[in-house]
Amino acid sequence: DIQMTQSPSSLSASVGDRVTITCRASQTISYYLNWYQQKPGKAPKLLIYAASTLQSGVPSRFSGSGSGPDFTLTISSLQPEDFATYYCQESYSSLWTFGQGTKVEMK
Amino acid sequence: QVELQESGPGLVKPSETLSLTCTVSGGSLSSYYWGWIRQLPGDGLEYIGYMYDSGSVYYNPSLRSRVTMSVETSKNQFSLRLSSVTAADTAVYYCARVIPPAMPFDPWGHGTLVTVSS
Repeated sequence: DIQMTQSPSSLSASVGDRVTITCRASQTISYYLNWYQQKPGKAPKLLIYAASTLQSGVPSRFSGSGSGPDFTLTISSLQPEDFATYYCQESYSSLWTFGQGTKVEMK
Repeated sequence: QVELQESGPGLVKPSETLSLTCTVSGGSLSSYYWGWIRQLPGDGLEYIGYMYDSGSVYYNPSLRSRVTMSVETSKNQFSLRLSSVTAADTAVYYCARVIPPAMPFDPWGHGTLVTVSS
């Protein structure tokens, strides 16, 4: 089974900060890596797919990079609406495993 | 734009079958993939399965023995059945569209909480 390990599990940041979240796959997943944002009580929202493609309507301050096994989600300048939990997800294996999440909190 | 809405009982007894329906509005089921995901207490997300409008289905191997997904194109709905439920199946269940070729989930429904309890 593919394990998806996100780091850190949580972080504290201020508006305007550059934030980087890492997702490591336990085996090759090619470019089949997606990133989601989830706010409390809401469904996850797709931000990035295929490792680096920005979903339509998502602000350009979000970017994704990497190829197996390490992938990165970067928020170039954190905005108040970006405080949320972020999940990576592989869509390569038959399990489509999600990472455990990274909670971005206000410092 | 496409919107999805889950519906079904919020409470299911242990050993019974959980049944949920996802209604798609603002677009057709045709020529797309459609899937189910659940979020367990403690926030872990788990993929359940996805299907094509033709009825081809792909299930998470860890749930395959208990899951059935089906589509009713005329109603623009697709469904999930999970048999022999236990308390461990208590979760928020989401339906979502699956976008080939990278296969991310987008958009998602609002989610519906299903509690397994006697």
